[in-house]
Amino acid sequence: EPEVTQTPSHQVTQMGQEVILRCVPISNHLYFYWYRQILGQKVEFLVSFYNNEISEKSEIFDDQFSVERPDGSNFTLKIRSTKLEDSAMYFCASRNPGQYNQPQHFGDGTRLSIL
Amino acid sequence: DQQVKQNSPSLSVQEGRISILNCDYTNSMFDYFLWYKKYPAEGPTFLISISSIKDKNEDGRFTVFLNKSAKHLSLHIVPSQPGDSAVYFCAALPEAGKLIFGQGTTLQVKP
Repeated sequence: EPEVTQTPSHQVTQMGQEVILRCVPISNHLYFYWYRQILGQKVEFLVSFYNNEISEKSEIFDDQFSVERPDGSNFTLKIRSTKLEDSAMYFCASRNPGQYNQPQHFGDGTRLSIL
Repeated sequence: DQQVKQNSPSLSVQEGRISILNCDYTNSMFDYFLWYKKYPAEGPTFLISISSIKDKNEDGRFTVFLNKSAKHLSLHIVPSQPGDSAVYFCAALPEAGKLIFGQGTTLQVKP
């Protein structure tokens, strides 16, 4: 069964450094998402992306965050200047085109640790 | 943000019995709900969904019930198996397309 893959599985970065989290969505999917889960908290929506542009973003997704689909297969989340509070699990998801209620399929996440 | 709430952080059930996981929501405009299962070190995996125009959806051992007047939904697993032990997330899907998750309930099925 096709799956969403994320790399790396764990990223350790010094505060203030830039980090790029990578995702390869399922190949025929056209809608892409990033979520994050801070330890002990809910999974929170960050951003959705369709047709090479952001569809929606949350309050968390400020100017330090950006997303990109640099080629036909990758979908990246960049954090420009990381803060301690950015430490979390980051999940990428994708879904089929068509009805918005098609289930989103998640990758296994990248654990981001900011020191 | 408490739009979707799972008030039971954990549930323990004997193998073969029924597991019932509950979820409450506040926004009557939500029109689609999903349940996801999550094992440690993995991402959430889609289990089952229900449209707000229905009150029940069944898929094998999994059934989701929706009570719109009470703004409540539940996931029933019958019979429960040890492999079902995981964290279960309820999520609402407004038409905008972003999932709004509950806090999750950790289910332990004892052999």
